[in-house]
Amino acid sequence: QSVLTQPPSVSGAPGQRVTISCTGSSSNIGANYVVHWYQQLPGTAPKFLLSSDTIPRPSGVPERFSASRSGTSASLAITGLQAEDEADYYCHCYDNSLGGLWVFGGGTRLTVL
Amino acid sequence: EVQLVESGGGLVKPGGSLRLSCAASGFSFSSYGMNWVRQAPGKGLEWVSSISRSAGDRYYADSVKGRFTISRDNARNSLSLHMDSLRADDTAVYYCAKAGAEAAAGLRFWYYDLWGRGTLVTVSS
Repeated sequence: QSVLTQPPSVSGAPGQRVTISCTGSSSNIGANYVVHWYQQLPGTAPKFLLSSDTIPRPSGVPERFSASRSGTSASLAITGLQAEDEADYYCHCYDNSLGGLWVFGGGTRLTVL
Repeated sequence: EVQLVESGGGLVKPGGSLRLSCAASGFSFSSYGMNWVRQAPGKGLEWVSSISRSAGDRYYADSVKGRFTISRDNARNSLSLHMDSLRADDTAVYYCAKAGAEAAAGLRFWYYDLWGRGTLVTVSS
């Protein structure tokens, strides 16, 4: 069971907008820590996608992707969904509680219908 | 080319040891914190261990503390993970990952902006 909770799956048709949530607690997202997102295409290594704030958008990441956080939650939004966006997405954050310094969400499989 | 290349994975018996290596190229290795992240078959990502630029600070997940040792050789642009007392639940692809530049501002800003392709570790009798 992951410290950060993500929905196991989301789906959308090409051109639509989807959001992926990441719910944490007062020891991570709620402690005002930056939330980072990674994209893992099938059969490949993860790739840094975006951060909720502070960290500049990596070159090459389309403006269709955006990230935000509020309270103990964060979200990744993808507009103008494309077939190439089909992948697993993971949120990631620092955690100040005992047991772990950095934590990941369980991952969300995005299916483009 | 900016890249990380892991090696050293393989099949090991429970209780055995293994040493993973990560060769870095294309960037100033000594300027960045480095990390190991693993992914069990069909599962999500799990942070394993991190080391600061100078190796003065090392961090471990509770699941590996006391069994794994992270180290780096800045002269050789190399990161290592020595794994002892391996268990079946250590079976995973192990990724080497570079911390982003903002990591210098503090632990809360660590994220992984460059990943290797990973090396598979299988612990089984």
